[in-house]
Amino acid sequence: DVKVTQSSRYLVKRTGEKVFLECVQDMDHENMFWYRQDPGLGLRLIYFSYDVKMKEKGDIPEGYSVSREKKERFSLILESASTNQTSMYLCASNRGGGLDTQYFGPGTRLTVL
Amino acid sequence: GESVGLHLPTLSVQEGDNSIINCAYSNSASDYFIWYKQESGKGPQFIIDIRSNMDKRQGQRVTVLLNKTVKHLSLQIAATQPGDSAVYFCAENPMDSSYKLIFGSGTRLLVRP
Repeated sequence: DVKVTQSSRYLVKRTGEKVFLECVQDMDHENMFWYRQDPGLGLRLIYFSYDVKMKEKGDIPEGYSVSREKKERFSLILESASTNQTSMYLCASNRGGGLDTQYFGPGTRLTVL
Repeated sequence: GESVGLHLPTLSVQEGDNSIINCAYSNSASDYFIWYKQESGKGPQFIIDIRSNMDKRQGQRVTVLLNKTVKHLSLQIAATQPGDSAVYFCAENPMDSSYKLIFGSGTRLLVRP
């Protein structure tokens, strides 16, 4: 079974803080993804990585950065958290090569005060 | 699928009945489709997928039907159980992208005991 884990289920941070969200997958997947999920807006892609140290912007990258130093780990960084970044953050991974489902982690609910 | 606002469509079924959840997808060039189940507070869980060269695929208690003529996807759940209560959403993979998924906003399934 594919397993995608996220470092925290719930996180509360203050405006202006630097926030790190970590994601680890154990299936040697090439691709990893960070999404945010908000009511009425569905899942929106923030960033995508197709290999170690490689990344591509998704639909809403502003205010975020990512890091992929090892194949199994993909980090999402909020350089200076803002209240509009309060959301559910979901990490996903897949093998790559097209026509392949994405497997999701349990999510991190981030609240920025 | 497009976002439909803050309030998800809801399907309420009696335990033991069959459920049919529908999804209208947006891109006629999409060649791969996935159904996900998301329980409250959890990440989306893969249920079943289908490629555009098929019109039906069956899993355990679930069947996905694809009608490319009208860009419509449905998920049928046989003998619905209380554990099936969740939000279900479809995702499509546009043919011009090897990784991007476009997610629908979802349908909430409530199973009455």
